[in-house]
Amino acid sequence: GNSVTQMEGPVTLSEEAFLTINCTYTATGYPSLFWYVQYPGEGLQLLLKATKADDKGSNKGFEATYRKETTSFHLEKGSVQVSDSAVYFCALRGRAGYALNFGKGTSLLVTP
Amino acid sequence: EAQVTQNPRYLITVTGKKLTVTCSQNMNHEYMSWYRQDPGLGLRQIYYSMNVEVTDKGDVPEGYKVSRKEKRNFPLILESPSPNQTSLYFCASRGTGIGNYGYTFGSGTRLTVV
Repeated sequence: GNSVTQMEGPVTLSEEAFLTINCTYTATGYPSLFWYVQYPGEGLQLLLKATKADDKGSNKGFEATYRKETTSFHLEKGSVQVSDSAVYFCALRGRAGYALNFGKGTSLLVTP
Repeated sequence: EAQVTQNPRYLITVTGKKLTVTCSQNMNHEYMSWYRQDPGLGLRQIYYSMNVEVTDKGDVPEGYKVSRKEKRNFPLILESPSPNQTSLYFCASRGTGIGNYGYTFGSGTRLTVV
């Protein structure tokens, strides 16, 4: 079945540091890939997505590239801010269905 | 404003007392789903619905029921809650047309069963 594995946190960075959160997946066919962000006390918000191999999703300075050869969708940001502190979830949706399969989430704390 | 509305936001209840968490969306989405979020486990799907009167089990359906009598509403029912159902619950919806990739999530319901 489909599954997502992402690096465990918490990740603590200083403001303006470079961020990478690793995400790899297992799926049949060609899934769509997503990063969701959950700010404290809130629901999940779509951060970015990619629907086919080599697509790059980007939003708010975050980027992730759909790498089919390595089955990965790593999240990156060149310079994090305190306001980026949140939990980040990698997810996939198989072509045949509508359910999202989530990773376990990575907590990010950015300190001033 | 397009949104998914869950109620209540917080609920403390006792073991065995039936409860319902409501979910409503105003985007005319066909697909709706319930997830629970637990530390170290991420989000796991409980039930989903492809359209009115069409529901199916997700990964962790035991102890839950759902119904979809109207397109906009998808309530989650716990007939006899137990402490292991203490969790943070999210409802989500999505359109099924071409290009509809995004899921909209509610703000969550934090349930404590004592």
